[in-house]
Amino acid sequence: DQQVKQNSPSLSVQEGRISILNCDYTNSMFDYFLWYKKYPAEGPTFLISISSIKDKNEDGRFTVFLNKSAKHLSLHIVPSQPGDSAVYFCAASRIKSGGGADGLTFGKGTHLIIQP
Amino acid sequence: DSGVTQTPKHLITATGQRVTLRCSPRSGDLSVYWYQQSLDQGLQFLIQYYNGEERAKGNILERFSAQQFPDLHSELNLSSLELGDSALYFCASSGRQEPRTEAFFGQGTRLTVV
Repeated sequence: DQQVKQNSPSLSVQEGRISILNCDYTNSMFDYFLWYKKYPAEGPTFLISISSIKDKNEDGRFTVFLNKSAKHLSLHIVPSQPGDSAVYFCAASRIKSGGGADGLTFGKGTHLIIQP
Repeated sequence: DSGVTQTPKHLITATGQRVTLRCSPRSGDLSVYWYQQSLDQGLQFLIQYYNGEERAKGNILERFSAQQFPDLHSELNLSSLELGDSALYFCASSGRQEPRTEAFFGQGTRLTVV
């Protein structure tokens, strides 16, 4: 049972335009949602996160939107740059009582390709 | 550079063998997580240690075990290896700041079982 789903294996966007990556989840107990970026032969790199009590978080060119009623989140990258070409993973986490968090539950990733 | 160090980067071994993967977390991080990334399964959480103690278990096989030492480095032991264990194994650490949910990943160990 996949609790975090990224239904688009790949996405191609023109340089300078907006990239929108989507993610759906099924577990309403998740407290935090995160986006990671991964280049080949490297580990995932944390990009941005959002608490389940918020609906938007912005950091430079990256904005994450959360729609709890739809159990959906999206990552917007504006403007898209060639260096943004990578695999993007959506992940979710549940905070444990006493601090810390469970291991992340990841989607299978979306390969973003920025076309010049 | 995430500050998380994993060794070795590559490992090739035969079926039935046992290997140990090592992870040094970022300075000050108390939590270490292990993940497996295989081609068809994506990133799967295996196990978490916090300050030396096991805190959470994910999809970890009984043939696999891990521990975290007093200096906070961690080792993942994989035994009776099968071809299907071939994957990228990532270690991640967290805990340096609130909220303690962002995990920082190492570059991974690519395990090939032949």
